[in-house]
Amino acid sequence: GDSVTQMEGPVTLSEEAFLTINCTYTATGYPSLFWYVQYPGEGLQLLLKATKADDKGSNKGFEATYRKETTSFHLEKGSVQVSDSAVYFCALSASVDYKLSFGAGTTVTVRA
Amino acid sequence: GAGVSQTPSNKVTEKGKYVELRCDPISGHTALYWYRQSLGQGPEFLIYFQGTGAADDSGLPNDRFFAVRPEGSVSTLKIQRTERGDSAVYLCASSPDRNYGYTFGSGTRLTVV
Repeated sequence: GDSVTQMEGPVTLSEEAFLTINCTYTATGYPSLFWYVQYPGEGLQLLLKATKADDKGSNKGFEATYRKETTSFHLEKGSVQVSDSAVYFCALSASVDYKLSFGAGTTVTVRA
Repeated sequence: GAGVSQTPSNKVTEKGKYVELRCDPISGHTALYWYRQSLGQGPEFLIYFQGTGAADDSGLPNDRFFAVRPEGSVSTLKIQRTERGDSAVYLCASSPDRNYGYTFGSGTRLTVV
């Protein structure tokens, strides 16, 4: 079945450091790919998405590119802030489906 | 309302008891989803409603779990004879249509002792 594997955490960084969280997927067909973020005490929020190969999703300085050849959707940010401290989830939905399959989540802590 | 509201935010119950978890979706959203998030894991799909009907309940783990949405708005997830393994955060999400992105609620943290 469809699945997502993402980099284990926790990840601790200093402010202004570069962040990468790796995500790879297994799916039949052409899934849509997502990154969700969960800030402390809040619900899951969509951070960005990409619906087809080579699409780049971006939001709040974060980017991820849908790479079909490597079945990856790695999340990157060039200069993190303390406010980026959160749990990040990679997810996919199959091309004709609506259910999301999530990775286990990566906890990111940014220190001032 | 402005967002998806879930009540209660926390629920502690004894093993074997019955619990109900409520989800109030964004007004006008026809699609509603329940997910379960165990500690250290990503959310797992439980059930999807389109309007009043359960379009897909394939994620419900067993027949102790049941969900309803009688008027196509508020949904209730019901768990009978709770077990310690049911302890998790139960997330609800809604969307205008199945092809749109979700808005998640903050979840109900269920602890079975």
